[in-house]
Amino acid sequence: EPEVTQTPSHQVTQMGQEVILRCVPISNHLYFYWYRQILGQKVEFLVSFYNNEISEKSEIFDDQFSVERPDGSNFTLKIRSTKLEDSAMYFCASSAGEQYFGPGTRLTVT
Amino acid sequence: GESVGLHLPTLSVQEGDNSIINCAYSNSASDYFIWYKQESGKGPQFIIDIRSNMDKRQGQRVTVLLNKTVKHLSLQIAATQPGDSAVYFCAENKAGGTSYGKLTFGQGTILTVHP
Repeated sequence: EPEVTQTPSHQVTQMGQEVILRCVPISNHLYFYWYRQILGQKVEFLVSFYNNEISEKSEIFDDQFSVERPDGSNFTLKIRSTKLEDSAMYFCASSAGEQYFGPGTRLTVT
Repeated sequence: GESVGLHLPTLSVQEGDNSIINCAYSNSASDYFIWYKQESGKGPQFIIDIRSNMDKRQGQRVTVLLNKTVKHLSLQIAATQPGDSAVYFCAENKAGGTSYGKLTFGQGTILTVHP
C-alpha cells in the first residue's frame, strides 16, 4: 500500500540553526501539506501546496518557514532560524481525496 | 470562533465492548468531517469520513454519525480490540466541501482497551 514517508525521524538542532524536513508524498497525489503537533496537543495545520505554489497557510507559517517541491518526488519544509517553540512533531500529508499522513519528524530545538 | 472539539478526553473499555467517541464542531458551514486514529509515535491514520449530506456512514467495524442540528459527530467502534487503543481525532475540512483543503483537528480522545 502506498504511503507517505518522511526523513529524518528525529532531528535535533540548536536554536538559530536552519533545518530542512523532507517528505515523499504518495506518487499520484497532487496536494501536499505540512502539519505540526506540539507534545500533548492537537495537530495544527501549517501550509498546503498545489501546482507548485502555496494554496493556504496558517498564522504559524511565518517568514521563517518555506516549502519547496525540488523535484517530482520530494516535498520539503525549511525553518530558517529555529526557535525553542518550534520543537514539535512535523507531519507531511498528501491527498488525492483523503489526506494521508506520514510518520512524522520529531524536531527538537535546544 | 470556529473550533472542533471533543467532549471526553479519555475512554476506557473492555475488549469486545463497543466504543463511542464524540466530537462537537462549531462551524455550521463545515461540510466534510474525518476521523483519524493516532498510535503512539505515528502519524494520524485515516479511518472514515462523512460529508454533510449524509447522517451515517459505515466502514469495517466503524460507523460515523453526523448530527447537523446539534453539530455533533461520533465514531462508533464495534467489538473494540486492544489494537484499537490510540488517540482518536475528529477533523473538519474548511475548503468549502472539497477534501483538499486544510484540516482543523480537535483535541483528541484517548481510547484504552483492556483485554
